[in-house]
Amino acid sequence: EVQVMESGGALVQPGGSLRLTCAASGFSFSRYGMTWVRQAPGKGLEWVSSISNSGGLTYYADSVKGRFTISRDNSKDTLYLQMTYLRVEDTAVYYCANIPVPGSWYFDNWGPGNLVTVSS
Amino acid sequence: ENVLTQSPGTLSMSPGERATLSCRASQSVTSNWLAWYKQKPGQAPRLLIYGASNRATGIPDRFSGSGSGTDFTLTISRLEPEDFAVYYCQQYGGSPVTFGQGTKVEIK
Repeated sequence: EVQVMESGGALVQPGGSLRLTCAASGFSFSRYGMTWVRQAPGKGLEWVSSISNSGGLTYYADSVKGRFTISRDNSKDTLYLQMTYLRVEDTAVYYCANIPVPGSWYFDNWGPGNLVTVSS
Repeated sequence: ENVLTQSPGTLSMSPGERATLSCRASQSVTSNWLAWYKQKPGQAPRLLIYGASNRATGIPDRFSGSGSGTDFTLTISRLEPEDFAVYYCQQYGGSPVTFGQGTKVEIK
């Protein structure tokens, strides 16, 4: 069974840092691009970042560029999102998902999500 | 960026009825690369449709997608109790990928 599970969410002060982890199982992780999508409380979905299957290509939304870093460890079937200089507006549930077809960025097999709260 | 506008914001329907949800793009969606997702409260989104009209694995055939260019439609032929949820469209033909604001399908 395909599964992805996010962890690492917490309450953090503005300007702080946090690393989210997405553990994958049940599929050949190294064959697929992966993505992070977030959802602020009561709001819609916002794409955050994506990474190619090898990790060699990374992409970011303008809202997080320069502050967030996506990476992966294919030996551990794990995706990461390093978040720095966090802002109140980064408060959201963060989901990871896979990209079934390279270059065709629709998202499948979403994790249950992990809440990041940025507040003083 | 390509802005997606979904309508209506809320659709009040009864089980067994046919639901039609609209997604309009501010620019033509390249290759009709448009997806639809369903999200129930407290749950992650689930992929329903990709490429405007292709059902994802395990999605019942009462869900169908259509459209091209800037106008796309998700149709649920006969609403089941589990279909009452929020539905989002997403375009992935241009950068950045963008989502619509969602349509809530609620029980009348």
